[in-house]
Amino acid sequence: GAVVSQHPSRVICKSGTSVKIECRSLDFQATTMFWYRQFPKKSLMLMATSNEGSKATYEQGVEKDKFLINHASLTLSTLTVTSAHPEDSSFYICSARASPGANVLTFGAGSRLTVL
Amino acid sequence: GENVEQHPSTLSVQEGDSAVIKCTYSDSASNYFPWYKQELGKRPQLIIDIRSNVGEKKDQRIAVTLNKTAKHFSLHITETQPEDSAVYFCAASEGNQFYFGTGTSLTVIP
Repeated sequence: GAVVSQHPSRVICKSGTSVKIECRSLDFQATTMFWYRQFPKKSLMLMATSNEGSKATYEQGVEKDKFLINHASLTLSTLTVTSAHPEDSSFYICSARASPGANVLTFGAGSRLTVL
Repeated sequence: GENVEQHPSTLSVQEGDSAVIKCTYSDSASNYFPWYKQELGKRPQLIIDIRSNVGEKKDQRIAVTLNKTAKHFSLHITETQPEDSAVYFCAASEGNQFYFGTGTSLTVIP
């Protein structure tokens, strides 16, 4: 089946630094990838939709200059948390689907970000 | 846009009993309704899904029902087992975006 790899699984950084999280579709080409943020015992909060070769579409309230998303190829999307602050500490998860309108989402394993 | 509500937020059942989680949606254009199971610290996994042209779907101990008129769908787990303990999310999609419910934390008591 479809596999999505997300890296790193855990990252600790100092306040003010930037952190990059990668999301790769290993055995399929993902035209669309989604990035979510999940707080403890809470639902998945959609941050942005990333389409290959175009700018990401951000949800209301998500700062696009702080959460930079790049989808440079059909198998890779990256989320960069810039100038991280402790309140950015969270669990970030990506998901991917193979084609526009494809129903099945495949999730990455998530990245636990801790900002000191 | 779509609004998905999910109830209950927490659910405890005795092993062997049934568990039911309910979701409602607002956008009549939604035509695909997946359910995901997320164990602590792990990725959400698709456990069952249903499309709008079907009223019910079953896979062993798991079933999903859909009422398009009332815009609600439900997850039914029968003969629950401790390994069913997890957070369950419903979602609705019109083919472009996926909108998630707020999740249900299910605990199966041995």
